[in-house]
Formats: sequence, C-alpha cells, structure tokens
Amino acid sequence: DAKTTQPTSMDCAEGRAANLPCNHSTISGNEYVYWYRQIHSQGPQYIIHGLKNNETNEMASLIITEDRKSSTLILPHATLRDTAVYYCIALSNNQGGKLIFGQGTELSVKP
Amino acid sequence: GAVVSQHPSRVICKSGTSVKIECRSLDFQATTMFWYRQFPKQSLMLMATSNEGSKATYEQGVEKDKFLINHASLTLSTLTVTSAHPEDSSFYICSASGGHWNTIYFGEGSWLTVV
Repeated sequence: DAKTTQPTSMDCAEGRAANLPCNHSTISGNEYVYWYRQIHSQGPQYIIHGLKNNETNEMASLIITEDRKSSTLILPHATLRDTAVYYCIALSNNQGGKLIFGQGTELSVKP
Repeated sequence: GAVVSQHPSRVICKSGTSVKIECRSLDFQATTMFWYRQFPKQSLMLMATSNEGSKATYEQGVEKDKFLINHASLTLSTLTVTSAHPEDSSFYICSASGGHWNTIYFGEGSWLTVV
C-alpha cells in the first residue's frame, strides 16, 4: 500500500473549517484514500473514503487532486469535539480491509 | 450505534495469567477481522489478521503463541493474551470488514493492565 504523509499537528479555531492535508504520491490506481479519526482512548472512527472523485458526507468532505497524489479532508465547521488524531490511509481493494496506520495529524480545535 | 463491539473495555490481570478479549460484529458477518495494539502517544500497530475458519496471519514480530486468535464464527473473533506480563499492558483494538469491505469499522478498544 502507498505510504501517506501528514503534518504532525494542526490547530483550528472553533466554527472555522479545518483542512487536513495528506500526501500519497505513490498511490496506485486501485488504492482508495480513507480517513479515520481517533479521539483519545477510543477506537478509530470512520470518516470518509474516495477513489478519484470528491466525496461528501454528513461528517466531512474529501477533495482528491486530479493526479491523486494528494488529498484534503475538510471539516466544514469544526467543533471542540472534533479534536482528535486524523489518519489518512491508502488501501487497495485486494487488501480486505487491512488498514496500516501512520502517525496521523493531531488536530486541536480551540475556542 | 456501534457495529463492532469489544469486551471487556477494561481488564486488569495478574502477571502470568491469561486474558481473553472478544470482538463482535453486531449487524454484519465479518469474514475478516483485524487486531491492533496501541501504546500511549503512539499509532495503532497491526498485530494480526483473523479469518473465519482458518488460522490467523500474524505480522512480523508478533508472537503467535503469546497472542492467540480464534475466529470461530462470522461474528466473533477473540484475542487471548497468554502468560501476560506488564509489558503487554496496552490498548487492544479490533476492526472488521464484511460484505461491504469499503467501510471498515473498529471496536471501542480494550484496555489491558497487567500487574
């Protein structure tokens, strides 16, 4: 699976959009981009995933560049409860759900 | 609500004893489950892949005789930490993928403390 690179930490003001970048320059054509987050002492929570097109759900939007070498997770109106570690993971459809976690981005939403 | 449930959420055991952690998929059949461990301030580390009806596949460096995994049904996988030592104290997390593998769900995690 392709390696992903994320900033170690980010801050965001409450109510503003949080834009979390992820680089995956070696991603292959059959690898999806998945985003999970982990709030302290809990299991990871699924946020969103995509292959080529931008995706949006009730939690977030995922913007994938045309060359698929990077993506951005957008939390449109961050709240204090969005403070967590966010993981961007590339996963191919023949891996059966075997997610390999990097270090992620620690997002701190501040009042 | 949760679609993958772990039990117990917290357990304390004495050094040298064994402890079992259960992972259940609540509303889908999970042909494959995964076990992770996580130390404080660190990311999740994949320990093993559990396939229903067959032997688990362990990641490099994970002792299969120490971390016994059983996936006897399509909704249940268990992780048994045998002869536990204080260094086995950690947060253990399972995940499950089923018919719609595109979304993989995680359990709430189980804190193990070995004293």
